[in-house]
Amino acid sequence: DVVLTQTPPTLSATIGQSVSISCRSSQSLLHSNGNTYLNWLLQRPGQPPQLLIYLVSRLESGVPNRFSGSGSGTDFTLKISGVEAEDLGVYYCVQSTHAPWTFGGGTKLELK
Amino acid sequence: EVKLQQSGDELVRPGASVKMSCKASGYTFTDYAMHWVKQSPGQGLEWIGTIIPLIDTTSYNQKFKGKATLTADKSSNTAYMELSRLTSEDSAVYYCARSTTTDYWGQGVMVTVSS
Repeated sequence: DVVLTQTPPTLSATIGQSVSISCRSSQSLLHSNGNTYLNWLLQRPGQPPQLLIYLVSRLESGVPNRFSGSGSGTDFTLKISGVEAEDLGVYYCVQSTHAPWTFGGGTKLELK
Repeated sequence: EVKLQQSGDELVRPGASVKMSCKASGYTFTDYAMHWVKQSPGQGLEWIGTIIPLIDTTSYNQKFKGKATLTADKSSNTAYMELSRLTSEDSAVYYCARSTTTDYWGQGVMVTVSS
């Protein structure tokens, strides 16, 4: 199975600070069809996960543009340009290029 | 408005089975695959499997073969997951999620396995 390693596991930030989360894959997530199926999710406390970014860098409808995704192959990054209070929670990367789908271990974003 | 409404929380005895539902509304049910995800207490997320309602095709994470059975009822726009031979390891929250991008999620079903 593909292993997704997220760093850091915990991130402390102040409101307005820009932060980045890394997701590294044990193998390339480039599919034979040319797409890279790497998404980013946010799970707020007591809530189901919600989609932020799909196909590495495409912003889901309704998601603020302070969120951005980048990367290719095995290295991916989620950036939040100016953290807001509503951004607190656990962030997960997830890949669906290879079966079974796998998730990163999560990065908990806290207020400093 | 797209919505995935899951059935209520369950308290079940060890060795029993449980069947939960995920009722879809606001879109054409057969246009999208439905995925099921497990979140164990304080843990991360695990993909259980996928059903494509249009052609009733399923795929499973090997880890959950024999444990989970996915079905779908096109007449009621509802996906189901049955978990069998439950143990304490199956106590978790189970989510359904639409499409490869998982753009919509159900609210989750908490399953507690206890005698």
